[in-house]
Amino acid sequence: GESVGLHLPTLSVQEGDNSIINCAYSNSASDYFIWYKQESGKGPQFIIDIRSNMDKRQGQRVTVLLNKTVKHLSLQIAATQPGDSAVYFCAENRGDTGMRALTFGSGTRLQVQP
Amino acid sequence: DGGITQSPKYLFRKEGQNVTLSCEQNLNHDAMYWYRQDPGQGLRLIYYSQIVNDFQKGDIAEGYSVSREKKESFPLTVTSAQKNPTAFYLCASRSAPRQPQHFGDGTRLSIL
Repeated sequence: GESVGLHLPTLSVQEGDNSIINCAYSNSASDYFIWYKQESGKGPQFIIDIRSNMDKRQGQRVTVLLNKTVKHLSLQIAATQPGDSAVYFCAENRGDTGMRALTFGSGTRLQVQP
Repeated sequence: DGGITQSPKYLFRKEGQNVTLSCEQNLNHDAMYWYRQDPGQGLRLIYYSQIVNDFQKGDIAEGYSVSREKKESFPLTVTSAQKNPTAFYLCASRSAPRQPQHFGDGTRLSIL
């Protein structure tokens, strides 16, 4: 069925570099997207979100880009730090399902090399 | 501080035994969710509840049961019918469709 997926299972970057994590989605009815960070043994932590009427949203050191034409979502982390090492998930909310749960991708592991 | 509390952090189940995982939230959210996470995988929806005394099956509800008697609480029972219960279980809540879900820190369930 329709689902959220990720291009790269593991991304390794040097400390101080910028990181880009990508996500493809296939559900054209999705109207809201979220990026989560999950550290080992913990629950996912909200990073940033974006609604479908936007193309870009910035937070502290993070930027989310949404390309609805190709159904692509990306998370950019500036000046990556060792504390950014974790698994990152994108999630989508289908606009036609009310409060039903988000659909999650399988995750990308970000490894920051010192 | 507002948040979601899951307990216990670790749980062991014997063959043929039912076990119940606790989830409590003080965020005043109407909707609550249970997910299962297997190693190296994403989250799969077990059950969700949009309001007190109402809940719906998710994608992998077989072998699980829930109740929603209070707004703050959404316990999950893993029954003996669930043949492969070993996983990391996550509870979440949210206030509206275009708001993020907030997660607890999970319960890791293993088989003895």
